[in-house]
Amino acid sequence: AQSVTQLDSHVSVSEGTPVLLRCNYSSSYSPSLFWYVQHPNKGLQLLLKYTSAATLVKGINGFEAEFKKSETSFHLTKPSAHMSDAAEYFCVVKDSGYSTLTFGKGTMLLVSP
Amino acid sequence: DAMVIQNPRYQVTQFGKPVTLSCSQTLNHNVMYWYQQKSSQAPKLLFHYYDKDFNNEADTPDNFQSRRPNTSFCFLDIRSPGLGDAAMYLCATSRDREGARETQYFGPGTRLLVL
Repeated sequence: AQSVTQLDSHVSVSEGTPVLLRCNYSSSYSPSLFWYVQHPNKGLQLLLKYTSAATLVKGINGFEAEFKKSETSFHLTKPSAHMSDAAEYFCVVKDSGYSTLTFGKGTMLLVSP
Repeated sequence: DAMVIQNPRYQVTQFGKPVTLSCSQTLNHNVMYWYQQKSSQAPKLLFHYYDKDFNNEADTPDNFQSRRPNTSFCFLDIRSPGLGDAAMYLCATSRDREGARETQYFGPGTRLLVL
Protein backbone atom coordinates (compact mmCIF):
# COMPACT_ATOMS: atom_id res chain seq x y z
CA ALA A 1 0.00 0.00 0.00
CA GLN A 2 1.09 3.56 -0.59
CA SER A 3 0.45 6.61 1.59
CA VAL A 4 1.66 10.16 1.98
CA THR A 5 1.87 12.39 5.05
CA GLN A 6 2.37 16.11 4.70
CA LEU A 7 3.49 17.15 8.12
CA ASP A 8 2.25 20.74 8.06
CA SER A 9 -1.17 21.94 6.95
CA HIS A 10 0.08 25.54 6.81
CA VAL A 11 3.54 27.09 6.51
CA SER A 12 4.13 30.83 6.83
CA VAL A 13 7.31 32.51 5.62
CA SER A 14 8.46 36.00 4.82
CA GLU A 15 9.38 36.96 1.29
CA GLY A 16 13.06 36.24 0.67
CA THR A 17 13.37 33.56 3.37
CA PRO A 18 13.78 29.81 2.75
CA VAL A 19 10.84 27.49 2.24
CA LEU A 20 10.60 23.94 3.61
CA LEU A 21 7.51 21.81 3.00
CA ARG A 22 7.75 18.36 4.56
CA CYS A 23 6.52 15.10 3.11
CA ASN A 24 6.89 11.50 4.28
CA TYR A 25 5.71 8.53 2.28
CA SER A 26 5.05 4.84 2.62
CA SER A 27 5.39 2.50 -0.33
CA SER A 28 5.65 -1.21 -0.92
CA TYR A 29 7.53 -0.87 -4.19
CA SER A 30 9.97 1.57 -5.72
CA PRO A 31 7.82 4.66 -5.89
CA SER A 32 7.77 7.77 -7.93
CA LEU A 33 7.17 10.95 -5.98
CA PHE A 34 5.75 14.22 -7.22
CA TRP A 35 5.13 17.71 -5.94
CA TYR A 36 2.24 19.64 -7.46
CA VAL A 37 1.30 23.26 -6.79
CA GLN A 38 -2.22 24.65 -6.94
CA HIS A 39 -2.93 28.36 -7.01
CA PRO A 40 -6.43 29.50 -5.97
CA ASN A 41 -9.12 28.34 -8.40
CA LYS A 42 -6.54 26.77 -10.68
CA GLY A 43 -5.60 23.25 -11.68
CA LEU A 44 -2.56 21.36 -10.41
CA GLN A 45 0.81 22.19 -11.93
CA LEU A 46 3.68 19.75 -11.73
CA LEU A 47 6.65 21.25 -9.85
CA LEU A 48 9.00 18.29 -9.98
CA LYS A 49 9.16 14.51 -9.83
CA TYR A 50 11.48 11.79 -8.60
CA THR A 51 11.62 8.58 -10.64
CA SER A 52 14.65 6.68 -9.23
CA ALA A 53 17.32 8.69 -11.00
CA ALA A 54 19.14 11.45 -9.11
CA THR A 55 17.94 11.80 -5.52
CA LEU A 56 18.11 15.60 -5.66
CA VAL A 57 15.47 16.78 -8.07
CA LYS A 58 15.27 20.30 -9.43
CA GLY A 59 11.93 21.66 -10.51
CA ILE A 60 10.41 24.81 -11.86
CA ASN A 61 10.45 28.22 -10.17
CA GLY A 62 13.57 27.45 -8.12
CA PHE A 63 12.07 24.56 -6.15
CA GLU A 64 13.92 21.35 -5.44
CA ALA A 65 13.33 18.19 -3.43
CA GLU A 66 15.56 15.45 -2.08
CA PHE A 67 14.51 11.81 -2.00
CA LYS A 68 15.79 10.16 1.19
CA LYS A 69 14.96 6.48 1.22
CA SER A 70 16.32 5.88 4.72
CA GLU A 71 14.00 8.57 6.08
CA THR A 72 11.15 7.88 3.63
CA SER A 73 11.03 11.62 3.00
CA PHE A 74 10.69 13.89 -0.01
CA HIS A 75 10.79 17.42 1.38
CA LEU A 76 10.34 20.42 -0.92
CA THR A 77 12.64 23.41 -0.54
CA LYS A 78 13.31 26.79 -2.08
CA PRO A 79 16.12 29.11 -0.98
CA SER A 80 14.13 32.33 -1.21
CA ALA A 81 10.34 32.65 -1.18
CA HIS A 82 8.51 34.94 -3.57
CA MET A 83 5.04 36.34 -3.10
CA SER A 84 3.89 34.37 -6.14
CA ASP A 85 4.79 31.11 -4.36
CA ALA A 86 1.77 31.48 -2.09
CA ALA A 87 -0.37 28.48 -2.99
CA GLU A 88 -1.28 24.95 -1.89
CA TYR A 89 1.31 22.23 -2.41
CA PHE A 90 0.54 18.53 -2.72
CA CYS A 91 3.03 15.70 -2.27
CA VAL A 92 2.01 12.66 -4.30
CA VAL A 93 3.25 9.06 -4.46
CA LYS A 94 2.77 6.46 -7.16
CA ASP A 95 3.90 2.85 -6.97
CA SER A 96 4.77 0.95 -10.11
CA GLY A 97 2.04 -1.57 -9.35
CA TYR A 98 -0.70 1.01 -8.99
CA SER A 99 -2.57 2.92 -11.61
CA THR A 100 -3.61 5.73 -9.25
CA LEU A 101 -1.91 8.55 -7.40
CA THR A 102 -2.02 8.92 -3.64
CA PHE A 103 -2.16 12.54 -2.53
CA GLY A 104 -1.11 14.09 0.72
CA LYS A 105 -3.62 16.42 2.34
CA GLY A 106 -1.78 19.47 1.11
CA THR A 107 0.26 22.28 2.67
CA MET A 108 -0.86 25.85 2.28
CA LEU A 109 2.16 28.15 1.86
CA LEU A 110 1.60 31.72 3.01
CA VAL A 111 4.17 34.36 2.04
CA SER A 112 4.18 37.72 3.77
CA PRO A 113 5.95 40.86 2.54
CA ASP B 1 1.39 23.96 -26.77
CA ALA B 2 0.12 20.54 -25.85
CA MET B 3 -2.31 20.81 -23.01
CA VAL B 4 -5.39 19.70 -21.11
CA ILE B 5 -8.39 21.98 -21.59
CA GLN B 6 -11.52 22.10 -19.48
CA ASN B 7 -14.75 23.87 -20.31
CA PRO B 8 -16.40 25.71 -18.83
CA ARG B 9 -14.15 27.08 -16.09
CA TYR B 10 -17.19 27.88 -13.95
CA GLN B 11 -20.54 26.14 -14.10
CA VAL B 12 -23.68 26.94 -12.17
CA THR B 13 -26.50 24.42 -12.10
CA GLN B 14 -29.68 23.86 -10.16
CA PHE B 15 -30.27 21.13 -7.65
CA GLY B 16 -31.25 17.99 -9.57
CA LYS B 17 -30.60 19.43 -13.04
CA PRO B 18 -28.19 17.29 -15.10
CA VAL B 19 -24.88 18.90 -15.96
CA THR B 20 -21.98 17.92 -18.21
CA LEU B 21 -18.39 19.02 -17.85
CA SER B 22 -15.94 18.57 -20.68
CA CYS B 23 -12.24 17.90 -21.01
CA SER B 24 -10.06 17.76 -24.08
CA GLN B 25 -6.38 17.07 -24.55
CA THR B 26 -3.83 17.62 -27.26
CA LEU B 27 -1.22 15.36 -25.65
CA ASN B 28 -2.53 12.21 -27.35
CA HIS B 29 -2.43 10.41 -24.02
CA ASN B 30 -4.10 7.04 -23.55
CA VAL B 31 -5.43 7.69 -20.06
CA MET B 32 -7.87 10.35 -18.92
CA TYR B 33 -8.91 10.88 -15.30
CA TRP B 34 -11.64 12.78 -13.49
CA TYR B 35 -11.06 14.04 -9.96
CA GLN B 36 -13.37 15.82 -7.52
CA GLN B 37 -11.75 18.34 -5.20
CA LYS B 38 -13.73 19.90 -2.38
CA SER B 39 -12.60 22.98 -0.54
CA SER B 40 -9.31 22.57 1.35
CA GLN B 41 -9.07 18.89 0.42
CA ALA B 42 -6.88 16.82 -1.84
CA PRO B 43 -8.28 15.71 -5.20
CA LYS B 44 -10.28 12.48 -5.09
CA LEU B 45 -10.25 10.19 -8.09
CA LEU B 46 -13.73 9.43 -9.46
CA PHE B 47 -12.83 7.25 -12.46
CA HIS B 48 -10.47 6.96 -15.38
CA TYR B 49 -10.40 5.72 -18.95
CA TYR B 50 -7.54 3.68 -20.32
CA ASP B 51 -8.24 4.08 -24.02
CA LYS B 52 -11.90 2.99 -24.13
CA ASP B 53 -11.68 0.89 -20.99
CA PHE B 54 -13.66 2.57 -18.18
CA ASN B 55 -12.45 2.15 -14.59
CA ASN B 56 -14.71 3.33 -11.81
CA GLU B 57 -13.47 3.89 -8.25
CA ALA B 58 -15.39 1.78 -5.76
CA ASP B 59 -16.76 4.72 -3.81
CA THR B 60 -17.80 6.90 -6.74
CA PRO B 61 -21.56 7.56 -6.51
CA ASP B 62 -23.78 6.26 -9.32
CA ASN B 63 -24.83 9.87 -9.90
CA PHE B 64 -21.49 10.39 -11.66
CA GLN B 65 -21.00 9.01 -15.16
CA SER B 66 -18.40 9.51 -17.85
CA ARG B 67 -18.06 9.23 -21.60
CA ARG B 68 -15.02 9.16 -23.81
CA PRO B 69 -16.10 9.33 -27.46
CA ASN B 70 -12.54 9.53 -28.78
CA THR B 71 -8.93 9.88 -27.61
CA SER B 72 -9.11 13.64 -27.25
CA PHE B 73 -12.35 14.17 -25.36
CA CYS B 74 -13.79 13.00 -22.07
CA PHE B 75 -17.02 14.12 -20.39
CA LEU B 76 -18.22 14.03 -16.80
CA ASP B 77 -21.99 13.77 -16.43
CA ILE B 78 -23.69 14.44 -13.11
CA ARG B 79 -27.21 13.11 -13.48
CA SER B 80 -28.85 14.79 -10.49
CA PRO B 81 -26.50 17.21 -8.77
CA GLY B 82 -26.90 17.68 -5.07
CA LEU B 83 -25.57 20.48 -2.91
CA GLY B 84 -22.75 18.16 -1.83
CA ASP B 85 -21.52 17.88 -5.40
CA ALA B 86 -20.38 21.49 -5.47
CA ALA B 87 -16.63 21.23 -5.97
CA MET B 88 -13.75 21.75 -8.36
CA TYR B 89 -13.62 19.01 -10.98
CA LEU B 90 -10.20 18.30 -12.39
CA CYS B 91 -9.38 16.39 -15.54
CA ALA B 92 -5.95 14.83 -15.94
CA THR B 93 -4.17 12.75 -18.55
CA SER B 94 -1.20 10.42 -18.67
CA ARG B 95 0.48 8.45 -21.41
CA ASP B 96 0.11 5.19 -19.53
CA ARG B 97 -1.03 4.19 -16.05
CA GLU B 98 0.87 1.25 -14.67
CA GLY B 99 4.42 2.55 -14.63
CA ALA B 100 5.54 4.41 -11.55
CA ARG B 101 7.11 7.07 -13.73
CA GLU B 102 3.90 8.06 -15.42
CA THR B 103 3.13 11.71 -14.82
CA GLN B 104 -0.41 13.02 -14.75
CA TYR B 105 -1.01 16.39 -16.37
CA PHE B 106 -3.93 18.37 -15.03
CA GLY B 107 -6.31 20.79 -16.64
CA PRO B 108 -7.31 24.10 -15.01
CA GLY B 109 -10.46 22.62 -13.53
CA THR B 110 -14.17 23.44 -13.63
CA ARG B 111 -15.70 24.98 -10.52
CA LEU B 112 -19.26 23.66 -10.12
CA LEU B 113 -21.79 25.54 -8.06
CA VAL B 114 -25.15 23.91 -7.24
CA LEU B 115 -28.01 26.20 -6.29
